[in-house]
Amino acid sequence: GAGVSQSPSNKVTEKGKDVELRCDPISGHTALYWYRQSLGQGLEFLIYFQGNSAPDKSGLPSDRFSAERTGGSVSTLTIQRTQQEDSAVYLCASSSVALGTDTQYFGPGTRLTVL
Amino acid sequence: DAKTTQPPSMDCAEGRAANLPCNHSTISGNEYVYWYRQIHSQGPQYIIHGLKNNETNEMASLIITEDRKSSTLILPHATLRDTAVYYCIVRPQKAAGNKLTFGGGTRVLVKP
Repeated sequence: GAGVSQSPSNKVTEKGKDVELRCDPISGHTALYWYRQSLGQGLEFLIYFQGNSAPDKSGLPSDRFSAERTGGSVSTLTIQRTQQEDSAVYLCASSSVALGTDTQYFGPGTRLTVL
Repeated sequence: DAKTTQPPSMDCAEGRAANLPCNHSTISGNEYVYWYRQIHSQGPQYIIHGLKNNETNEMASLIITEDRKSSTLILPHATLRDTAVYYCIVRPQKAAGNKLTFGGGTRVLVKP
Protein backbone atom coordinates (compact mmCIF):
# COMPACT_ATOMS: atom_id res chain seq x y z
CA GLY A 1 0.00 0.00 0.00
CA ALA A 2 0.93 3.65 -0.14
CA GLY A 3 1.51 4.04 3.56
CA VAL A 4 1.78 2.17 6.85
CA SER A 5 -1.53 0.68 7.90
CA GLN A 6 -2.59 -0.54 11.31
CA SER A 7 -5.54 -2.48 12.57
CA PRO A 8 -7.77 -2.21 14.40
CA SER A 9 -7.98 1.57 14.65
CA ASN A 10 -9.63 1.26 18.05
CA LYS A 11 -9.69 -1.59 20.54
CA VAL A 12 -11.58 -1.69 23.81
CA THR A 13 -10.85 -4.66 26.02
CA GLU A 14 -11.34 -5.78 29.56
CA LYS A 15 -8.53 -6.00 32.05
CA GLY A 16 -6.85 -9.39 31.89
CA LYS A 17 -7.69 -10.13 28.27
CA ASP A 18 -5.09 -10.55 25.53
CA VAL A 19 -4.99 -8.27 22.50
CA GLU A 20 -3.24 -8.38 19.13
CA LEU A 21 -2.39 -5.29 17.14
CA ARG A 22 -1.36 -5.49 13.51
CA CYS A 23 0.95 -3.39 11.40
CA ASP A 24 1.43 -3.50 7.63
CA PRO A 25 4.56 -1.53 6.74
CA ILE A 26 5.28 0.26 3.51
CA SER A 27 6.15 -2.29 0.85
CA GLY A 28 9.90 -2.84 0.64
CA HIS A 29 10.71 -1.23 3.98
CA THR A 30 13.01 -3.51 5.92
CA ALA A 31 12.87 -1.71 9.26
CA LEU A 32 9.78 -1.70 11.47
CA TYR A 33 9.26 0.00 14.81
CA TRP A 34 6.56 -0.15 17.46
CA TYR A 35 6.00 2.81 19.77
CA ARG A 36 3.27 3.77 22.15
CA GLN A 37 1.99 7.17 23.12
CA SER A 38 -0.04 7.85 26.22
CA LEU A 39 -2.42 10.79 26.28
CA GLY A 40 -0.48 14.03 25.96
CA GLN A 41 2.85 12.25 26.21
CA GLY A 42 5.78 11.65 23.89
CA LEU A 43 6.76 8.54 22.01
CA GLU A 44 7.83 5.49 23.97
CA PHE A 45 9.88 3.02 21.95
CA LEU A 46 8.84 -0.60 22.28
CA ILE A 47 10.58 -2.81 19.72
CA TYR A 48 12.51 -2.63 16.43
CA PHE A 49 12.83 -5.16 13.61
CA GLN A 50 15.44 -4.93 10.86
CA GLY A 51 15.39 -7.54 8.13
CA ASN A 52 16.28 -10.97 9.45
CA SER A 53 18.28 -9.66 12.41
CA ALA A 54 17.25 -10.34 15.98
CA PRO A 55 14.80 -7.64 17.07
CA ASP A 56 15.73 -4.93 19.55
CA LYS A 57 13.26 -5.59 22.36
CA SER A 58 14.83 -3.18 24.81
CA GLY A 59 11.73 -0.99 25.06
CA LEU A 60 9.17 -3.64 25.92
CA PRO A 61 7.83 -2.66 29.36
CA SER A 62 7.15 -6.18 30.63
CA ASP A 63 7.07 -9.81 29.56
CA ARG A 64 3.37 -9.41 28.85
CA PHE A 65 4.40 -7.62 25.67
CA SER A 66 5.72 -9.47 22.64
CA ALA A 67 5.94 -8.86 18.92
CA GLU A 68 6.76 -10.78 15.83
CA ARG A 69 7.30 -10.00 12.22
CA THR A 70 6.50 -12.72 9.75
CA GLY A 71 8.16 -12.89 6.35
CA GLY A 72 9.86 -9.57 6.90
CA SER A 73 6.62 -7.67 6.37
CA VAL A 74 3.54 -7.70 8.61
CA SER A 75 4.09 -7.36 12.34
CA THR A 76 1.86 -8.25 15.26
CA LEU A 77 2.20 -6.75 18.74
CA THR A 78 0.62 -8.92 21.42
CA ILE A 79 -0.23 -7.76 24.92
CA GLN A 80 -1.20 -10.53 27.32
CA ARG A 81 -3.27 -10.05 30.45
CA THR A 82 -3.87 -6.38 29.68
CA GLN A 83 -3.77 -3.83 32.46
CA GLN A 84 -5.35 -0.38 32.61
CA GLU A 85 -1.92 1.24 32.34
CA ASP A 86 -1.56 -0.37 28.91
CA SER A 87 -4.17 2.06 27.60
CA ALA A 88 -2.46 4.19 24.95
CA VAL A 89 -2.13 4.71 21.23
CA TYR A 90 0.15 2.08 19.73
CA LEU A 91 2.04 3.36 16.71
CA CYS A 92 3.92 1.45 14.05
CA ALA A 93 6.54 2.99 11.78
CA SER A 94 8.60 1.63 8.93
CA SER A 95 11.69 2.82 7.14
CA SER A 96 14.04 1.91 4.34
CA VAL A 97 17.56 2.20 5.63
CA ALA A 98 18.82 1.39 2.16
CA LEU A 99 17.93 4.91 1.09
CA GLY A 100 20.68 6.27 3.33
CA THR A 101 18.76 7.68 6.27
CA ASP A 102 16.30 6.08 8.59
CA THR A 103 13.25 8.22 7.82
CA GLN A 104 10.42 6.62 9.71
CA TYR A 105 6.89 6.76 8.34
CA PHE A 106 4.10 6.19 10.82
CA GLY A 107 0.77 4.49 10.62
CA PRO A 108 -2.42 6.00 12.06
CA GLY A 109 -2.09 4.03 15.27
CA THR A 110 -4.33 1.74 17.29
CA ARG A 111 -6.04 3.31 20.26
CA LEU A 112 -6.20 0.70 23.01
CA THR A 113 -8.51 1.19 25.96
CA VAL A 114 -8.36 -1.28 28.81
CA LEU A 115 -11.38 -1.11 31.07
CA ASP B 1 21.04 12.62 19.89
CA ALA B 2 21.49 16.37 20.18
CA LYS B 3 18.89 18.32 22.12
CA THR B 4 16.59 20.74 20.33
CA THR B 5 14.76 23.79 21.60
CA GLN B 6 11.48 25.01 20.11
CA PRO B 7 8.96 27.65 21.18
CA PRO B 8 6.02 25.96 22.89
CA SER B 9 3.36 27.54 20.74
CA MET B 10 2.67 29.94 17.93
CA ASP B 11 -0.30 31.23 15.97
CA CYS B 12 -0.40 31.70 12.25
CA ALA B 13 -2.91 33.31 9.91
CA GLU B 14 -4.44 31.09 7.27
CA GLY B 15 -2.82 31.67 3.88
CA ARG B 16 0.30 33.21 5.35
CA ALA B 17 3.69 31.59 5.70
CA ALA B 18 4.43 29.90 9.01
CA ASN B 19 8.06 30.03 10.12
CA LEU B 20 8.91 27.54 12.86
CA PRO B 21 12.31 27.96 14.53
CA CYS B 22 14.44 25.27 16.11
CA ASN B 23 17.72 25.58 17.96
CA HIS B 24 20.15 22.67 17.96
CA SER B 25 23.43 24.23 19.03
CA THR B 26 25.05 20.90 20.01
CA ILE B 27 24.38 19.20 16.68
CA SER B 28 27.16 16.92 15.44
CA GLY B 29 28.54 16.84 11.94
CA ASN B 30 26.82 13.57 11.09
CA GLU B 31 23.40 14.49 12.44
CA TYR B 32 20.43 15.34 10.27
CA VAL B 33 17.67 17.77 11.18
CA TYR B 34 14.24 16.13 10.90
CA TRP B 35 10.80 17.63 11.20
CA TYR B 36 7.64 15.72 12.01
CA ARG B 37 4.20 16.90 12.94
CA GLN B 38 1.31 15.33 14.77
CA ILE B 39 -2.22 16.41 14.11
CA HIS B 40 -4.63 15.73 16.94
CA SER B 41 -5.47 12.02 17.28
CA GLN B 42 -3.30 11.03 14.34
CA GLY B 43 0.08 9.33 14.01
CA PRO B 44 3.20 11.45 13.54
CA GLN B 45 3.74 12.62 9.97
CA TYR B 46 7.18 13.02 8.42
CA ILE B 47 7.65 16.46 6.85
CA ILE B 48 11.24 16.98 5.75
CA HIS B 49 14.85 16.49 6.72
CA GLY B 50 18.23 17.94 5.82
CA LEU B 51 21.92 17.84 6.66
CA LYS B 52 23.34 21.23 5.77
CA ASN B 53 21.73 22.40 2.54
CA ASN B 54 18.29 23.96 2.41
CA GLU B 55 15.61 21.50 1.36
CA THR B 56 12.16 21.86 -0.16
CA ASN B 57 9.41 19.38 -0.83
CA GLU B 58 5.68 19.51 -1.49
CA MET B 59 4.93 20.14 2.16
CA ALA B 60 7.54 22.59 3.38
CA SER B 61 10.97 24.16 3.13
CA LEU B 62 13.80 23.66 5.59
CA ILE B 63 16.36 26.39 6.06
CA ILE B 64 19.50 25.39 8.00
CA THR B 65 21.96 28.06 9.11
CA GLU B 66 25.52 27.84 7.87
CA ASP B 67 26.81 26.85 11.31
CA ARG B 68 23.96 24.29 11.55
CA LYS B 69 23.11 25.43 15.07
CA SER B 70 19.55 26.35 14.13
CA SER B 71 16.96 25.79 11.45
CA THR B 72 13.56 27.05 10.34
CA LEU B 73 10.70 25.05 8.93
CA ILE B 74 8.60 27.09 6.54
CA LEU B 75 5.02 26.21 5.65
CA PRO B 76 4.56 28.54 2.68
CA HIS B 77 0.78 28.93 2.77
CA ALA B 78 -0.63 27.67 6.03
CA THR B 79 -4.08 26.10 6.01
CA LEU B 80 -6.36 25.18 8.88
CA ARG B 81 -5.31 21.56 8.36
CA ASP B 82 -1.74 22.51 9.28
CA THR B 83 -2.81 22.99 12.90
CA ALA B 84 -0.65 20.46 14.73
CA VAL B 85 2.30 19.98 17.05
CA TYR B 86 5.55 20.27 15.10
CA TYR B 87 8.65 18.43 16.28
CA CYS B 88 12.25 19.23 15.38
CA ILE B 89 14.66 16.34 15.93
CA VAL B 90 18.33 15.78 15.21
CA ARG B 91 19.41 12.24 14.42
CA PRO B 92 22.58 10.55 13.23
CA GLN B 93 23.01 9.70 9.60
CA LYS B 94 22.06 6.12 8.68
CA ALA B 95 20.64 5.70 12.12
CA ALA B 96 19.24 2.26 11.66
CA GLY B 97 17.43 1.25 14.78
CA ASN B 98 17.63 4.76 16.19
CA LYS B 99 14.51 5.33 18.20
CA LEU B 100 12.65 8.56 17.62
CA THR B 101 12.19 10.77 20.63
CA PHE B 102 9.99 13.81 20.46
CA GLY B 103 10.54 16.78 22.71
CA GLY B 104 7.83 19.27 23.55
CA GLY B 105 7.51 20.57 20.01
CA THR B 106 5.72 23.72 18.88
CA ARG B 107 1.95 23.74 19.01
CA VAL B 108 0.89 25.64 15.88
CA LEU B 109 -2.61 27.03 15.62
CA VAL B 110 -3.62 28.27 12.18
CA LYS B 111 -6.41 30.80 12.48
CA PRO B 112 -8.87 31.86 9.77
